Amino acid sequence: QVQLVESGGGVVQPGRSLRLSCAASGFTPSSYAMHWVRQAPGKGLEWVAVISYDGGDKYYSDSVMDRFTISRDNSKNTLYLQLNSLRVEDTAVYFCARGSYGSAKMGWFDPWGQGTLVTVSS
Amino acid sequence: QSVLTQSPSASGTPGQRVTISCSGSTSNIGSKPVNWYRQLPGTAPKLLVYSNDERPSGVPDRFSGSKSDTSAFLAISGLQSEDEADYYCAAWDDSLSAWVFGGGTKLTVL
Repeated sequence: QVQLVESGGGVVQPGRSLRLSCAASGFTPSSYAMHWVRQAPGKGLEWVAVISYDGGDKYYSDSVMDRFTISRDNSKNTLYLQLNSLRVEDTAVYFCARGSYGSAKMGWFDPWGQGTLVTVSS
Repeated sequence: QSVLTQSPSASGTPGQRVTISCSGSTSNIGSKPVNWYRQLPGTAPKLLVYSNDERPSGVPDRFSGSKSDTSAFLAISGLQSEDEADYYCAAWDDSLSAWVFGGGTKLTVL
């Protein structure tokens, strides 16, 4: 069945970097846009970034622009999120989710992975 | 402050009908499809309604979505205890060139 599994979370000091991965199975990821969404402890969902099926289009939320980079390796069926210059307020569970067939601006998020926790603390 | 506005909480008794609203603007809900997600405690969100009023396979017809101008609505009829969850709306925003979520509505079944 369609499945997304995130990894790479952990505890990191402010200002440091981390790379998250999202392994896809049960479908052809190279045909779909892919998203990262995060949820701070006790808070709501916050969209982080999206990448189009071929990596040609990328969009970011203002809160992570210029610090985070979304990328994908379709040969490995894997989505990535590089987190640089981390701040305490980046502490959250990070979910990856499949987007639409093709466009980064259309569709919906389905399915979602189980999430990976990133804790930024000194 | 979320771009899409939802009431923080809603409640109802078993069997009742409850409606959750999501208010936006012309750059998002007013011109783009709206999707709804449900998140049970400690779990990942799941798609509940897509493209304003479509249900994915497996979602009961007790759940229905609609949209009017710059607001979207999720109606849940025949409320059940297992419907207790957080509900989120989301849409693409052309002005921000970003996806936006509502702040979420916590539904309590009394």
